[in-house]
Amino acid sequence: SQQGEEDPQALSIQEGENATMNCSYKTSINNLQWYRQNSGRGLVHLILIRSNEREKHSGRLRVTLDTSKKSSSLLITASRAADTASYFCATETQGGSEKLVFGKGTKLTVNP
Amino acid sequence: DAGITQSPRHKVTETGTPVTLRCHQTENHRYMYWYRQDPGHGLRLIHYSYGVKDTDKGEVSDGYSVSRSKTEDFLLTLESATSSQTSVYFCAISRRSGGQGNTIYFGEGSWLTVV
Repeated sequence: SQQGEEDPQALSIQEGENATMNCSYKTSINNLQWYRQNSGRGLVHLILIRSNEREKHSGRLRVTLDTSKKSSSLLITASRAADTASYFCATETQGGSEKLVFGKGTKLTVNP
Repeated sequence: DAGITQSPRHKVTETGTPVTLRCHQTENHRYMYWYRQDPGHGLRLIHYSYGVKDTDKGEVSDGYSVSRSKTEDFLLTLESATSSQTSVYFCAISRRSGGQGNTIYFGEGSWLTVV
């Protein structure tokens, strides 16, 4: 069963705008991660936020985590056409599992 | 780049035939995974391995078997392919580093069509 659920399923914005994607999950986690997938390619790890962290930055990416609401958001600032991709959240559940459970993804289109 | 190679990258096969997908890694990682990706379902774990000859089922393991006789190779076999197994299959490895969590690195995918 899916642990993470991304929202929205699809997002279309203009270059230069910010893009925000959300992820909700069901069970307690060790960490939550965001991945990116370009069309026809494998997923690429973007950023990891641990359960005791509330916010993390990496370049133009900002991730927040609210464990009380079991939700996370990924913000991409000043988006570029090259950011067009699908974005997935993945959770590592508590208990030391080596398995990540992925959501269904948000398809982001950045129009030039 | 985590040194993951999948083969074949594209395959068309007939219903009822067995199919084996191969995943090869060059970095001696202990954990390896097979996921499938389908529209509307995202990525779902089929099987994973935590060492040579040590494997376990994921959430969609029915109709699939795996083998890992060497650290570097993880094979996924569709015992009798069905049209519902038409999908993109991704192999992955995991790394843990410096107190961080388990990060997954993916191969480029194998596109399988069952006709």
